[in-house]
Parts: sequence; C-alpha cells; structure tokens
Amino acid sequence: KQEVTQIPAALSVPEGENLVLNCSFTDSAIYNLQWFRQDPGKGLTSLLLIQSSQREQTSGRLNASLDKSSGRSTLYIAASQPGDSATYLCAVNTGTASKLTFGTGTRLQVTL
Amino acid sequence: DAGVTQSPTHLIKTRGQQVTLRCSPKSGHDTVSWYQQALGQGPQFIFQYYEEEERQRGNFPDRFSGHQFPNYSSELNVNALLLGDSALYLCASSLGQGNEKLFFGSGTQLSVL
Repeated sequence: KQEVTQIPAALSVPEGENLVLNCSFTDSAIYNLQWFRQDPGKGLTSLLLIQSSQREQTSGRLNASLDKSSGRSTLYIAASQPGDSATYLCAVNTGTASKLTFGTGTRLQVTL
Repeated sequence: DAGVTQSPTHLIKTRGQQVTLRCSPKSGHDTVSWYQQALGQGPQFIFQYYEEEERQRGNFPDRFSGHQFPNYSSELNVNALLLGDSALYLCASSLGQGNEKLFFGSGTQLSVL
C-alpha cells in the first residue's frame, strides 16, 4: 500500500527566504507526482506535475525534483512571499484512473 | 473557460440523513473523481467515473455512491450520514483515464450534526 509522508508538518519563515518542502513515498512504482497548494477551507491548486521519467519541473519561483528510486520529492520555493502562505500537498499516482495518494501536507507561513 | 465547479459550497445535515453533492468538470474533460478530506488530513480517493460508469473505488463503504451524466457532470450521494462523514468533499476532473493532470474544484464543506 502506497504511503506518502511530508516533512515538516508546519513551517514558519520570514519573507525572502528560500525554503524546501519534503515528500517521501513508499512505493517507487509511480506514474507521476503532483504538488498542490491549498488555502484554508478551499480546493486544491495544482502547482507542478512531474512524470516518472522526469527529474524536475520548474514554474516561476517553484522547482520540484523527483528521485523515484529513493522515493523522494522536494519542492523548492525561492524568495518566499506572504502570499505563499498555504498548505502544500504532494500526491503520487501509482496506477491508472487518476487515483492519487496524498500526504498530509506542510502548512507554510511566511511572515513579514 | 470555467474550471471545475461544485455545489453547494456548504451543507449542514443531521445524522441518518442523505446528501447529494454535485460537480461539473472543466470544459473538455470527461473523467470525474471524488475525494474526501477530513480536517488536517490529505484528501482520500472515494471513486472515479468515466463513460458514466464507476471505474475505480477507494476504501469507502457502500453508503457512498455516485453517478455520471451524459454531459460528464457527476453527483456524489452519501446515505445514512455519520458524524465522521463531516469533511470537505472535493471533485477533480481530467481527460481520459490515463495519468493526466487533475484539476480540482473548491469543494463542498459538509457538516453532520
């Protein structure tokens, strides 16, 4: 059974810092891994999708890496801003039919 | 281009009642998945609908059922509500049953009293 763990559970950083969020998964036979952002009580916004054959994806100040063999992914956020404050979730797809297995998320707060 | 839309946004029910949640997929998408997110947890997969049939199901009891209509919209029905069914219910859409990117709606917050 696939299990996804995210560390840390919560993180508070001052504005402008670069930061790394971690995601690990137990079954390396994945099709892809997706990072999402969730604001309190809201739905999920997809940030980056990495296919199993890829090593990393970049979008603006965000960079996600994937090491499938070791079961790890990281989300790097450069020059953090207060608007980045949210919960970040990673999810892996280990089969067809878009059945994602999610971690419990990292709650990020960026302070002024 | 409308994204994934869900209704209602909030709902309050009492134990034992039945509830129906609705979802319209993103334009051009034909596959709808439903997830349950309890407070402080990651979303859990309930089931997926494609071509008006349930294609995959997560570890949820038969009290949870669904339907997909010819226009690809979908409903999630929950019977005999329990307190533990209180959660944010998220709908996601995609194109086909492959490994395409999922797009999520804003969710329906269900409270069972």
